[in-house]
Amino acid sequence: DTAVSQTPKYLVTQMGNDKSIKCEQNLGHDTMYWYKQDSKKFLKIMFSYNNKELIINETVPNRFSPKSPDKAHLNLHINSLELGDSAVYFCASSQDGPSGGNTGELFFGEGSRLTVL
Amino acid sequence: GEDVEQSLFLSVREGDSSVINCTYTDSSSTYLYWYKQEPGAGLQLLTYIFSNMDMKQDQRLTVLLNKKDKHLSLRIADTQTGDSAIYFCAERSQAGTALIFGKGTTLSVSS
Repeated sequence: DTAVSQTPKYLVTQMGNDKSIKCEQNLGHDTMYWYKQDSKKFLKIMFSYNNKELIINETVPNRFSPKSPDKAHLNLHINSLELGDSAVYFCASSQDGPSGGNTGELFFGEGSRLTVL
Repeated sequence: GEDVEQSLFLSVREGDSSVINCTYTDSSSTYLYWYKQEPGAGLQLLTYIFSNMDMKQDQRLTVLLNKKDKHLSLRIADTQTGDSAIYFCAERSQAGTALIFGKGTTLSVSS
């Protein structure tokens, strides 16, 4: 069973369209994240949710809207797609921050490659 | 703000040791991590070190932490072609819950 799974793996779409990427984790973790990896492989945190509550919202255009229906799912909806949105989007999850022997490591999905034409 | 710096490329010959260096800024970081990303794949945790440790060894991997200089290194002994990948250093501070990643070091191993 895949621990953190994202769909779709590949997404090719036209500028101006709206698209969603879904993420599910079966690790029982409390916190989920979206990271963006650009063409130079740089990874930046976009959002973090803890038990369905938004706790990190980095400087991301408000065309990006995360939604967490329950703590095992975190979806990313993107409106009015732009060329610069082309990237690989990674979902990740972790148990709550490091404490009581928990290292706070993140478990990553395989990524969703978004190409905007 | 928090920032993690790494050199972008390292090229070694098979059988040599590889050393990937990283500097970080948040002195309150409790754990520091090394992740590996193979082409077309997600990130996998390689190893981590707790901030009260100076060194951690795990088979071919050795992590050294210099808290005073905020410097972290990953040494891979007897580097193999299968070690070719991007290696990311990451810190996690007490203030936040997300990991802050460096830009990644692309390790190229030639036979």
